[in-house]
Formats: sequence, C-alpha cells, structure tokens
Amino acid sequence: DAGVIQSPRHEVTEMGQEVTLRCKPISGHNSLFWYRQTMMRGLELLIYFNNNVPIDDSGMPEDRFSAKMPNASFSTLKIQPSEPRDSAVYFCASSFGQPYTFGSGTRLTVV
Amino acid sequence: GNSVTQMEGPVTLSEEAFLTINCTYTATGYPSLFWYVQYPGEGLQLLLKATKADDKGSNKGFEATYRKETTSFHLEKGSVQVSDSAVYFCALNAGGTSYGKLTFGQGTILTVHP
Repeated sequence: DAGVIQSPRHEVTEMGQEVTLRCKPISGHNSLFWYRQTMMRGLELLIYFNNNVPIDDSGMPEDRFSAKMPNASFSTLKIQPSEPRDSAVYFCASSFGQPYTFGSGTRLTVV
Repeated sequence: GNSVTQMEGPVTLSEEAFLTINCTYTATGYPSLFWYVQYPGEGLQLLLKATKADDKGSNKGFEATYRKETTSFHLEKGSVQVSDSAVYFCALNAGGTSYGKLTFGQGTILTVHP
C-alpha cells in the first residue's frame, strides 16, 4: 500500500485566495483525521470522519474552513478565504481502529 | 477530559547517552498509549504502543512501559544515535466510541550531537 497520500506537498498562495488540500486514505481504513501543526500551537485536531461521516468538527478554527469526504477514498480540506495565520503544515491520517497512519503533510504558506 | 503531558523540550544529548522523555496522561477508563516520532519534513510515524497496564512497547531500541498506578508512559533508550534526532509525541486513545481518535502531547524535540 502507498500509505496516506496528500497533495500538494507545498502550497504558496496569496491572502484571500481559496486553498484546497487533498487526502487519499489507506484502502480499508474507515476513519480519517485532519490535523494542523504549527510551532505555536503544536498538533491540533481539526476534524475527523468515520465511514465518510463527520464525527467532530469542533477543532475547525472558523467558518473559513470546511472539510468533505465524498467517498471512502478521498477527502478535502478547504480554506476560503485564506489568511496568513493559516500558514501551517496540514496532516491527514487514517485508521481502522488503531493506530493512525499519517500522510507526509501539506506545507501551506499564505502571503 | 483526556489529556497528555510531555516533558518540556528541547532535549539535547551526546551520542550514546541515555534518553528519557516523560509522559503522563489523564483519561477515563483504560486507554491505549502510543509514542509517535516525526523526522524533519515528514509526517508522524508510530514508534511503539501499549494497550494495557504493565505492557511494555518496544521498537528500534526504544521502550516504554504502561504504568497505570502513576498514569505514565515514559520513553527510554539506552544509547541514542544522531539519527534519533526528531520530535517525539506521546498519545492516547480512550477507546470506546472514539473511532480511534488520538489525543497528543505537545511533542518533545530531541537533538543528538556526535
């Protein structure tokens, strides 16, 4: 298995633009998690899905953030409009029970 | 609620030194405990785990024992190498209907010098 695949690896965008991050979980995994990592806040859980259904989105910072999982093999995290404070590394992870497998992350820079 | 507290970093050691990174947790019930490692520019990788009290997880020379009486899961290695330089995260899964959700500590940066 290729593991959890995230794209793009790096994204640089201007403030106000829409950004879409993508994640392909490991086949057969039924839970998917989106995390954000910054030096200031460490690793923050944004949202997670089980069987494609959002279970807890209480970590989503504000309405500018949205996440979808239209099927078992794909999820997106969208930021619209983006702001410089959204600059971070965004990780996707998937699991079937325990433990997680993480993707390599998307480094987002908003200028 | 559930929480994980790790010792503050960064930790700087010379090669072949002994390593301990402290981790304590708060959880209801009987959580599973994990250590993850993050090398520069990469995602987190599972290092070891323990699913019940007194279990010892081990991998790549690292060890951690699940101590229910002290609610701890300290990470140890007898002789560190430069290649062990990374960020180490302690985490717990509370089980039940948590769908595998992990609660992470804040991470501890380890730097090993030759």
